[in-house]
Amino acid sequence: EDQVTQSPEALRLQEGESSSLNCSYTVSGLRGLFWYRQDPGKGPEFLFTLYSAGEEKEKERLKATLTKKESFLHITAPKPEDSATYLCAVQGESGTYKYIFGTGTRLKVLA
Amino acid sequence: GAVVSQHPSRVICKSGTSVKIECRSLDFQATTMFWYRQFPKQSLMLMATSNEGSKATYEQGVEKDKFLINHASLTLSTLTVTSAHPEDSSFYICSARPGGQDEQYFGPGTRLTVT
Repeated sequence: EDQVTQSPEALRLQEGESSSLNCSYTVSGLRGLFWYRQDPGKGPEFLFTLYSAGEEKEKERLKATLTKKESFLHITAPKPEDSATYLCAVQGESGTYKYIFGTGTRLKVLA
Repeated sequence: GAVVSQHPSRVICKSGTSVKIECRSLDFQATTMFWYRQFPKQSLMLMATSNEGSKATYEQGVEKDKFLINHASLTLSTLTVTSAHPEDSSFYICSARPGGQDEQYFGPGTRLTVT
């Protein structure tokens, strides 16, 4: 069964304290892995797409990496405005383009 | 680019009535649109997938007669919650996938409260 697990469930960081979020996945044929940011009461905001092991993508303080079993979202020197829930989703090769979402990591960055 | 809107953002309706939620892709044509439901502090639960001009494909456990989905054009999909009950109260989010891309772009969500 296709599955996505994110850890930790919640993370509190001091401003400037770098850390990583994990997304472990099991899927029968990975088409793509996607990272989103979701603020309370809003829809998810697209961050990155990763397709193959070894691929990396960067945007401001965020960097996403991918291996054959997991993906990491590295946050360098975070700021309070980075506080949000970060969601990971995988897409299999079924042709339906459906996502399987993880349960997310709730990040709180303290000033 | 890749902006998706939803209307209304919030709606309150009485038990037994129906409510329609619109999802529009504003600056691209959406080959596929998806409807999700999200409970507090939980992840998104896929309800159905729709392709323009085709019947929606519903996930297991989702009542197709209760949650009517119409993907009328490449930029518009609607979700109608029929005979709403308090347990249908939730945050409903749509997403749209541009043709030729794998990514889904999400709307801002609709908070439905059934009294």
